[in-house]
Amino acid sequence: KNEVEQSPQNLTAQEGEFITINCSYSVGISALHWLQQHPGGGIVSLFMLSSGKKKHGRLIATINIQEKHSSLHITASHPRDSAVYICAVLGYGGATNKLIFGTGTLLAVQP
Amino acid sequence: EAQVTQNPRYLITVTGKKLTVTCSQNMNHEYMSWYRQDPGLGLRQIYYSMNVEVTDKGDVPEGYKVSRKEKRNFPLILESPSPNQTSLYFCASSVTGGVVEQYFGPGTRLTVT
Repeated sequence: KNEVEQSPQNLTAQEGEFITINCSYSVGISALHWLQQHPGGGIVSLFMLSSGKKKHGRLIATINIQEKHSSLHITASHPRDSAVYICAVLGYGGATNKLIFGTGTLLAVQP
Repeated sequence: EAQVTQNPRYLITVTGKKLTVTCSQNMNHEYMSWYRQDPGLGLRQIYYSMNVEVTDKGDVPEGYKVSRKEKRNFPLILESPSPNQTSLYFCASSVTGGVVEQYFGPGTRLTVT
């Protein structure tokens, strides 16, 4: 079992829909990242969370440390949101600078 | 413009021919890291460096070498590439490690035949 699990693996939505992508992890963490990988391959950092909630434009990220779960929400989705969304966690202890990645959620937003 | 650059972007090579993928950042970041991305496996860390002359193994270091002689550069060296190293490689940097925003390079697609 992977230490970081994302769901769903694939998601198709209609433009304007509210989208939720989930990330569950099994290790104690000091931080969680949400990344976006564009169809051309480039990776962009969206959020870094250690508690609570963050918002940037139409994107909202939440984390529940006790439940070891994070969600990425996209409001009023648009075709340009189509990308792979990747969750990554930073653990405690010796490997405090080693990120562990989920396998990503492929999102397609249709017009 | 703040950025992480990688070269080359695409490379096709043959088994056993030594190669180097360069990575450079212009943000004065202390932390740099190399990842490989494979279908179904996601991103996996190869090596990382907390500062000049300080490097450490990630999850999949076998077959790779790195060096950090200058703060801005973190080359990835494949001394004797094999087909199982065919992958998409990303370099990343950040100010101080994994607890802050990561900046990724554009990726290098490597094919070893």
